[in-house]
Amino acid sequence: EAQVTQNPRYLITVTGKKLTVTCSQNMNHEYMSWYRQDPGLGLRQIYYSMNVEVTDKGDVPEGYKVSRKEKRNFPLILESPSPNQTSLYFCASSPRWVSGFPETQYFGPGTRLLVL
Amino acid sequence: AQSVSQHNHHVILSEAASLELGCNYSYGGTVNLFWYVQYPGQHLQLLLKYFSGDPLVKGIKGFEAEFIKSKFSFNLRKPSVQWSDTAEYFCAVNAVMNYGGSQGNLIFGKGTKLSVKP
Repeated sequence: EAQVTQNPRYLITVTGKKLTVTCSQNMNHEYMSWYRQDPGLGLRQIYYSMNVEVTDKGDVPEGYKVSRKEKRNFPLILESPSPNQTSLYFCASSPRWVSGFPETQYFGPGTRLLVL
Repeated sequence: AQSVSQHNHHVILSEAASLELGCNYSYGGTVNLFWYVQYPGQHLQLLLKYFSGDPLVKGIKGFEAEFIKSKFSFNLRKPSVQWSDTAEYFCAVNAVMNYGGSQGNLIFGKGTKLSVKP
């Protein structure tokens, strides 16, 4: 089944304890992206990746890192989480672009993170 | 910087009523436009998209949207809503650069919650 998976789905952690949220897609998509969703703020893009070893900042990259060593995986790393990073995180992937932009993005199920 | 405005935070309709959700963006150049829907407890799904061509775009589940360049708008419409349309709707914009490609970033609006009363 074609899908985007995220792990873990729920995570409670404490300030400063490094964590990684994994994202994996089995559709051979080139484009992957991370978003956070907060009430009243909608979705905001954190980082995106056009292809392997190509990543770029979205609107809210501070406090996050990503890597894209292989096409299927795009982990989100919080080196020193803080309470303001408590949020719902979505990973998305998309096949090759049309008119210079990714086609339909397929979203993962979300990871709910609470930083105490 | 680009931004996307969705004017209605929460819309409440009765079944069979017509729906129009507003979306305006702030970018003077060429754009790619999207509407996504998030049903309760589910992740986002694409409703429809506009890249070029006919400014009236038809999507899934009877939704359509009209791109009006002069108004920087991409409003979502549905002639008759159903209870199953209860969800949160997000407009999103991507800027096309002068060289014909685009940046990979996608700017979302803050979303509009739609509640349909049976």
